[in-house]
Amino acid sequence: NAGVTQTPKFQVLKTGQSMTLQCAQDMNHNSMYWYRQDPGMGLRLIYYSASEGTTDKGEVPNGYNVSRLNKREFSLRLESAAPSQTSVYFCASKVSAEGYTFGSGTRLTVV
Amino acid sequence: QQPVQSPQAVILREGEDAVINCSSSKALYSVHWYRQKHGEAPVFLMILLKGGEQKGHEKISASFNEKKQQSSLYLTASQLSYSGTYFCGTGPYSGAGSYQLTFGKGTKLSVIP
Repeated sequence: NAGVTQTPKFQVLKTGQSMTLQCAQDMNHNSMYWYRQDPGMGLRLIYYSASEGTTDKGEVPNGYNVSRLNKREFSLRLESAAPSQTSVYFCASKVSAEGYTFGSGTRLTVV
Repeated sequence: QQPVQSPQAVILREGEDAVINCSSSKALYSVHWYRQKHGEAPVFLMILLKGGEQKGHEKISASFNEKKQQSSLYLTASQLSYSGTYFCGTGPYSGAGSYQLTFGKGTKLSVIP
């Protein structure tokens, strides 16, 4: 039982490049989330998906897109990376009345 | 609106107690508490739902005061393993088991021998 798996763990991009962060969970959870974490800022919600087939914007969605491919997978895409998107990205999933289970994170640097 | 946590940082000796506070300017429906160790993902500690209940997890417990729109996390007889950054998350229930959590900036707890 792997929980929430994120790939890649580390990535360096040049400004303007695109990439997709992958997230998969094997806990049969309905809800999935993408957060970014910056020093001194805490965790900020980018996008979330309450159930398969639905996605909604969070607090900081600009510059990102998401796809809920199926119940297991929720991907985050950066179409044209900017230095301001340098951050640690966490995917999480959740079942009712319990807390989030976070993936191990993707450390992204945009140069 | 991001909940406000206090203190920002605290240093304890093993065996001492600590309280971490989380307050919100918005009405609280639920409060989640997480602990994150350096370089790792946050780990869920507990959730408190509207109703003022207090929950416990080993020597860590929490309270939720809806009227004051705040929650407090209590760590008693601290152990070295309690070191890390503690986050509270607040937000409404939006159906299908989904909470849109907004997290505080965190409280860094260091426990020393």
